[in-house]
Amino acid sequence: EAQVTQNPRYLITVTGKKLTVTCSQNMNHEYMSWYRQDPGLGLRQIYYSMNVEVTDKGDVPEGYKVSRKEKRNFPLILESPSPNQTSLYFCASSLFKISGANVLTFGAGSRLTVL
Amino acid sequence: AQSVTQLGSHVSVSEGALVLLRCNYSSSVPPYLFWYVQYPNQGLQLLLKYTTGATLVKGINGFEAEFKKSETSFHLTKPSAHMSDAAEYFCAVSALGGLSNFGNEKLTFGTGTRLTIIP
Repeated sequence: EAQVTQNPRYLITVTGKKLTVTCSQNMNHEYMSWYRQDPGLGLRQIYYSMNVEVTDKGDVPEGYKVSRKEKRNFPLILESPSPNQTSLYFCASSLFKISGANVLTFGAGSRLTVL
Repeated sequence: AQSVTQLGSHVSVSEGALVLLRCNYSSSVPPYLFWYVQYPNQGLQLLLKYTTGATLVKGINGFEAEFKKSETSFHLTKPSAHMSDAAEYFCAVSALGGLSNFGNEKLTFGTGTRLTIIP
């Protein structure tokens, strides 16, 4: 089944304790992206990647890091989490065609709470 | 820059009634427009999209949306609501319309509308 898999789905952590949210897709998609969803704000892009070793900032990158060493994986790293990073996180991927009309496939989400 | 406004963060309709979720967009280039649905504890899935051509777009589960350039709108409708339609709905516009954002498939989302169906 074609899908984007995120882990963990739920996580409670404390301020300053480094954590990684993994994202993996099995569709051979070039493009991957991370979003965070907050009440009243919709979804906002954190980082994106056009292909292996090519990453760039989205709208809200502060406090996050990403890497793209393999095509299928795009982990989101919080080096020193803070309470304002408590949110619902989504990973998404798509085939990269220069059109803007590509459909993003989303993971099921990772709910992170930072105490 | 692109932006999306969804009017009404919560909408309630009776089962069998018309569903109308409003979306207005702002875009400096011809937009590509999307509606996504999010069921509880799930990720977003595509309902429908408009790229070019026919302005009335049909999607899954009986939903459709009409692109109206003069009104910068892309409202979502369904003639008869079903209990299974209860979810949160997001309108989004693609940001890949210009070279300044080349390569980024970023979707700019609205703040979402939670649809409740009354039995």
